[in-house]
Amino acid sequence: NAGVMQNPRHLVRRRGQEARLRCSPMKGHSHVYWYRQLPEEGLKFMVYLQKENIIDESGMPKERFSAEFPKEGPSILRIQQVVRGDSAAYFCASSPTDRRGETQYFGPGTRLLVL
Amino acid sequence: GENVEQHPSTLSVQEGDSAVIKCTYSDSASNYFPWYKQELGKRPQLIIDIRSNVGEKKDQRIAVTLNKTAKHFSLHITETQPEDSAVYFCAASFASGGSYIPTFGRGTSLIVHP
Repeated sequence: NAGVMQNPRHLVRRRGQEARLRCSPMKGHSHVYWYRQLPEEGLKFMVYLQKENIIDESGMPKERFSAEFPKEGPSILRIQQVVRGDSAAYFCASSPTDRRGETQYFGPGTRLLVL
Repeated sequence: GENVEQHPSTLSVQEGDSAVIKCTYSDSASNYFPWYKQELGKRPQLIIDIRSNVGEKKDQRIAVTLNKTAKHFSLHITETQPEDSAVYFCAASFASGGSYIPTFGRGTSLIVHP
């Protein structure tokens, strides 16, 4: 059973460009969470999605950031008009249900560098 | 919302010593507390978790204790080894809109000297 997959692993963008980060959950998992991790800091929740639905986006900036999890294909975190402050590691995690206390499995992360 | 404080931010021990990392949380509704280990440049990986109906849980050299009254929980690593060196994150699950989103501590960088 393949784990959570993320690509690309590293992404370099210039200010003003768009960044697209992809996450394929573990087989059988229908819940995806995106987190951002800045250097020397913990994981900050951004958004929680189920197939075709955004359940909780309370941690995601209102401007320039969007996320989707289509019926087919990976979940996408999209950052428009990137700025240097967007440079971070972005992790996704998946879980099989949204019952309380369900363990999340993390992907390897995408390290975004904005020049 | 939930707030999780984690201490210390850095912990340096000699191989064979014990290490203790402590976390406090603010939301009394939280009832699931996982601990993750993140090696440099790698993904966070769950190492142990505890639910609020249990006060202590042990798995070989690692153990976690929970004090719901005081709203704090701790990770204990005994007989530390150099490969235990990593950043450790605690988390408390927080009910948000019907789902449970964990809030993470800022992490503890554990260094085990051979």
